[in-house]
Amino acid sequence: AQSVTQLGSHVSVSEGALVLLRCNYSSSVPPYLFWYVQYPNQGLQLLLKYTTGATLVKGINGFEAEFKKSETSFHLTKPSAHMSDAAEYFCAVSNLGGTSYGKLTFGQGTILTVHP
Amino acid sequence: SQTIHQWPATLVQPVGSPLSLECTVEGTSNPNLYWYRQAAGRGLQLLFYSVGIGQISSEVPQNLSASRPQDRQFILSSKKLLLSDSGFYLCAWSVSDRGSGYTFGSGTRLTVV
Repeated sequence: AQSVTQLGSHVSVSEGALVLLRCNYSSSVPPYLFWYVQYPNQGLQLLLKYTTGATLVKGINGFEAEFKKSETSFHLTKPSAHMSDAAEYFCAVSNLGGTSYGKLTFGQGTILTVHP
Repeated sequence: SQTIHQWPATLVQPVGSPLSLECTVEGTSNPNLYWYRQAAGRGLQLLFYSVGIGQISSEVPQNLSASRPQDRQFILSSKKLLLSDSGFYLCAWSVSDRGSGYTFGSGTRLTVV
């Protein structure tokens, strides 16, 4: 079964600083990986996803993530944080087959705080 | 294009009262449908998912039930709410494709008093 671990339930950065949110996965087959963002009292929005092909994936709002098979990681980065990036971020892996095909397993989430 | 509607946005209900939250999807057929709950500090908890009309899988035993009376309609219910049912409820849909991910509704904030 697939699983996802997000290291750090809270991350705090200064405006303009690098954002790094960590995600490690466990999967017996090549994973499909996702990052979602959730603003307060809203649903989750897809930031980016990795399925196949290029391992560096660019998403919305200047975020990107790199799939590293050797490290079983899919960390989310943004070169320069903006106040509007303050939100909760979820990493997810897609399940393989049977009735769970396409079902996502989510990490516990990381709350990003951006200080002026 | 596909859209997902979830209502109401907020709800305050007394303990012991019934609950009905509705989610509908437009622009697609035979979606996979999901109900999640977020309680404070507890991440996303999958409650139910459905791959077709009348097909409901429950992930955790609880005071809630789900139904799918139509292809694109998913309902979350309770006969008697508990204080512990408070939280943020999210509906989502997907297709049976590993690479599609989910599209989420805007959520319902439920407070049981």
